[in-house]
Amino acid sequence: DAGVIQSPRHEVTEMGQEVTLRCKPISGHDYLFWYRQTMMRGLELLIYFNNNVPIDDSGMPEDRFSAKMPNASFSTLKIQPSEPRDSAVYFCASSFHGPGEKLFFGSGTQLSVL
Amino acid sequence: GIQVEQSPPDLILQEGANSTLRCNFSDSVNNLQWFHQNPWGQLINLFYIPSGTKQNGRLSATTVATERYSLLYISSSQTTDSGVYFCAAPFGAGSYQLTFGKGTKLSVIP
Repeated sequence: DAGVIQSPRHEVTEMGQEVTLRCKPISGHDYLFWYRQTMMRGLELLIYFNNNVPIDDSGMPEDRFSAKMPNASFSTLKIQPSEPRDSAVYFCASSFHGPGEKLFFGSGTQLSVL
Repeated sequence: GIQVEQSPPDLILQEGANSTLRCNFSDSVNNLQWFHQNPWGQLINLFYIPSGTKQNGRLSATTVATERYSLLYISSSQTTDSGVYFCAAPFGAGSYQLTFGKGTKLSVIP
């Protein structure tokens, strides 16, 4: 398997623009997680899905953030409108049967909002 | 939720040296994982180890769940071991949210 695939690897945008991050989990994994990593706050869970259904979005910082998982092999994290404080590395991760199993991360998207 | 503390925060080793990284957690866990973030930012799962000991090459990990700590051993360190090591545990009982420690930054110098 190719692992968890994220795109783009880097995104530079201007404040106010819409940003869409994409993720393809490992085939067969039924849990998908979106994390954000910053120097100040470390790794934070934003939202996770089980069988394409959002289970816990309490980590989503604001209404400007939204996430979808239209099918088992694709998820998006959207920020609209983006702000400079959203600059961070966004990771997607997946696991089989939940965090009781090993969690596998994608390579991340480095987002810079100017 | 659970508190996860790692020590030391920074560690510098000469190539070939051994090291022990520690992870303390504030509550009982049924899931403890160690990750390595390499200098390019990629997060690699090293161990899923809620209890007991596991070994993978030069790395091994031990979790003593009753005493709420886990140790990661790196033997004969190599420059490729450099990066940040994180441990993570569930936020709460039955939680599917992993809480990550702040990490140990390891630098292995030739």
